[in-house]
Amino acid sequence: EVQLVESGGGLVQPGRSLRLSCAASGFTFDDYAMHWVRQAPGKGLEWVSGISWNSGSIGYADSVKGRFTISRDNAKNSLYLQMNSLRAEDTALYYCAKNYYMDVWGKGTTVTVSS
Amino acid sequence: DIQMTQSPSSLSASVGDRVTITCQASQDISNYLNWYQQKPGKAPKLLIYDASNLETGVPSRFSGSGSGTDFTFTISSLQPEDIATYYCQQYDNLPCSTFGGGTKVEIK
Repeated sequence: EVQLVESGGGLVQPGRSLRLSCAASGFTFDDYAMHWVRQAPGKGLEWVSGISWNSGSIGYADSVKGRFTISRDNAKNSLYLQMNSLRAEDTALYYCAKNYYMDVWGKGTTVTVSS
Repeated sequence: DIQMTQSPSSLSASVGDRVTITCQASQDISNYLNWYQQKPGKAPKLLIYDASNLETGVPSRFSGSGSGTDFTFTISSLQPEDIATYYCQQYDNLPCSTFGGGTKVEIK
């Protein structure tokens, strides 16, 4: 079964850091680009970051550029999002998604930034 | 950055009605446009990719069209299980992407 499972979310104070992980299974992970997408409570989807299959191309939304870093470990079938200098507006459910078509999504991990 | 303007933001229609949602890109994105359905408490689900291709297993009442800057998503006959929020997403400037603001579809 093709599956993505996010982890690493939690409650964190403003200015602190958090690292999200996404474990992939059921498909050849290093064949596909991957994305992080977030959804603030009651709001729409916001693309956060994307990475090509070989990490050769990486992109970020302006809202997180300079604070978040996406990476992947193809040997471990895993995607990561290092989030630094967190702000209240980063509070959201964070999804990882497979491929440019985003044809597979995880269930998400919740990040809450609050003092 | 490419902006996606989706309209309407919400709509109410009767079962059996034809429902149309539009998405406009701020620049030419060819056919690099996908449509998703999101039900409350669930992850989004891909319905249409490359503007007009139906994802495997998705009912044929869903369709998409358009290219360049103007795109349309249609539900030919609205069903109760179609109540959800629908999003367009462009991927012209990979690996970057953008979502539209979403359209909440309700039953009248």
